[in-house]
Amino acid sequence: EIVLTQSPATLSLSTGERGTLSCRASQSVSSYLAWYQQKPGQAPRLLIYDASNRATGIPARFSGSGSGTDFTLTITSLEPEDFAVYYCQQRSNWPLTFGGGTKVEIK
Amino acid sequence: QITLKESGPTLVKPTQTLTLTCTFSGFSLTTSGMGVGWIRQPPGKALEWLALIYGDDDKYYSPSLKSRLTITKDSSKNQVVLTLTNMDPVDTATYFCAHRRVVGGTNWFDPWGQGTLVTVSS
Repeated sequence: EIVLTQSPATLSLSTGERGTLSCRASQSVSSYLAWYQQKPGQAPRLLIYDASNRATGIPARFSGSGSGTDFTLTITSLEPEDFAVYYCQQRSNWPLTFGGGTKVEIK
Repeated sequence: QITLKESGPTLVKPTQTLTLTCTFSGFSLTTSGMGVGWIRQPPGKALEWLALIYGDDDKYYSPSLKSRLTITKDSSKNQVVLTLTNMDPVDTATYFCAHRRVVGGTNWFDPWGQGTLVTVSS
């Protein structure tokens, strides 16, 4: 099973700041990695798929990069609605696995 | 527009079997490459993938829960059913279903249902 390790666990930032979230895989997942955003009481929403493709309707301030074992989600200028928990997920190997999440909180 | 909604009991007793139904609209499981997955999330914890079924009846399960899980579909009703046997308090979680499209889609879970909280307690 591929283990996804997200860091940091919590990221404290202010509106307008840049956020950089990391996801590291225990073995290569090629580019088969996605990022989801989850707000309290809501279902996750697909943000980025195949490492760097924005899903439909996702603002350009969200971007993804990386391949192999190291991936990054960048939020260039945080908006109030971006404070949430972010999860990465891989589909390179069964079983599908998720990371432990990074909470982006207001500083 | 694709929508999914989970339904089922909110409270189950230990050792009982949980049956959850995902009712969806906006797509058909008879279309090639269409799938529906189940994912759960214990309160305050991370997401855990459980099972996935495609229209051709290909099924995939989490190895850690495979002996307790069954996923089935009723394409005529636009429903996918998940059963989890021998429920335990550690199975307390919000259970989500989600759409996945291999061909002509992103091949990721998108969108998700709102989720349903299931509590296991005597």
